[in-house]
Amino acid sequence: AQTVTQSQPEMSVQEAETVTLSCTYDTSESDYYLFWYKQPPSRQMILVIRQEAYKQQNATENRFSVNFQKAAKSFSLKISDSQLGDAAMYFCAHWVTQGGSEKLVFGKGTKLTVNP
Amino acid sequence: DTGVSQDPRHKITKRGQNVTFRCDPISEHNRLYWYRQTLGQGPEFLTYFQNEAQLEKSRLLSDRFSAERPKGSFSTLEIQRTEQGDSAMYLCASSLWIGSGNTIYFGEGSWLTVV
Repeated sequence: AQTVTQSQPEMSVQEAETVTLSCTYDTSESDYYLFWYKQPPSRQMILVIRQEAYKQQNATENRFSVNFQKAAKSFSLKISDSQLGDAAMYFCAHWVTQGGSEKLVFGKGTKLTVNP
Repeated sequence: DTGVSQDPRHKITKRGQNVTFRCDPISEHNRLYWYRQTLGQGPEFLTYFQNEAQLEKSRLLSDRFSAERPKGSFSTLEIQRTEQGDSAMYLCASSLWIGSGNTIYFGEGSWLTVV
């Protein structure tokens, strides 16, 4: 079974500081895709960053970057210069392709609090 | 591009009643997904469509659940004989499928409370 594990139910960070959210996943595929989504209190899921497994270079989107360790099946999200608006639930997700099916499988999420 | 829209946003129903949710995907998106999310959990996959064809249904989708996408545009998710365990947020998402790993875009969700 394809699984995504986020071991930190809650994290907090001071405004302007850096925080790293952890994610591990299980897959037997060699080529796949990983995502981080943000879900603010308004509840709409928003894509933060996307990583293609065949690319060795870690994805970066402004203040958001990932540390993708393929051998360790680890995909952590680093948020630099944290802002109050970064407070949200963050979900790690793995794009699963199996038996003709394609879907995103999510972890349970990490609640990020940003302290002023 | 108005995004994925869902209706109603909130629904309170009595146990045993039927409810229907509607999802309008982003225009020209050929794939449409339904997920369910309970408090403190990540979204769980329910089903997805490519155009009007329903390609997969999760075992979470019992016989009381049915989803349609009759013309390959909007979709409906109906829950018959609702139970308290159906209380959750039902998320719709869409994507333009041109290969694996395409970004999917979510709507704001439809909250269901069964009393």
